[in-house]
Amino acid sequence: EDQVTQSPEALRLQEGESSSLNCSYTVSGLRGLFWYRQDPGKGPEFLFTLYSAGEEKEKERLKATLTKKESFLHITAPKPEDSATYLCAAGPSGYALNFGKGTSLLVTP
Amino acid sequence: DADVTQTPRNRITKTGKRIMLECSQTKGHDRMYWYRQDPGLGLRLIYYSFDVKDINKGEISDGYSVSRQAQAKFSLSLESAIPNQTALYFCATSKPGNNEQFFGPGTRLTVL
Repeated sequence: EDQVTQSPEALRLQEGESSSLNCSYTVSGLRGLFWYRQDPGKGPEFLFTLYSAGEEKEKERLKATLTKKESFLHITAPKPEDSATYLCAAGPSGYALNFGKGTSLLVTP
Repeated sequence: DADVTQTPRNRITKTGKRIMLECSQTKGHDRMYWYRQDPGLGLRLIYYSFDVKDINKGEISDGYSVSRQAQAKFSLSLESAIPNQTALYFCATSKPGNNEQFFGPGTRLTVL
């Protein structure tokens, strides 16, 4: 059964304290590992797509990496405005995505 | 202007009532999706449509139905709403061959 698991469920960081969020997946015929950011009461906002092991993508303080079994979202020197829920999703070709339950990140000043 | 819009944004209804949630998109995408989001359960797929003539059940389709009126419009109906359908509902779109999905702002539905 296809599955996407995110950890930790919640993470509290001090401003400037770097950390990583984990997304492990078991998806047959993976065609993309996706990261989204979701602010409270809003729709998920697309961040990155990773297609193959070893691939990395960066956007401001965020960097996403992919291995054959998991993906990491690294947050370098976070700011309070990075506080949000980060969702990971994966899917086989031609089908809808499986979403993880998300990691709720709080960055305090 | 938003590329994916949902109406209504908030709705309170009573048990047993029929309700329709609507989604429109201007992105020109063929694929559209309906999800519900509950605290602690994440996003779960209700229905998805890869084109106007193709509609598929998702993980939790019981109690829901959909209609794809046009490429740009995808509606979700609750024929007889029940309290455990209280949730945040999202519509999303994507292009064929690319699973990158773009989400609407959501509809918060409360069933009393």
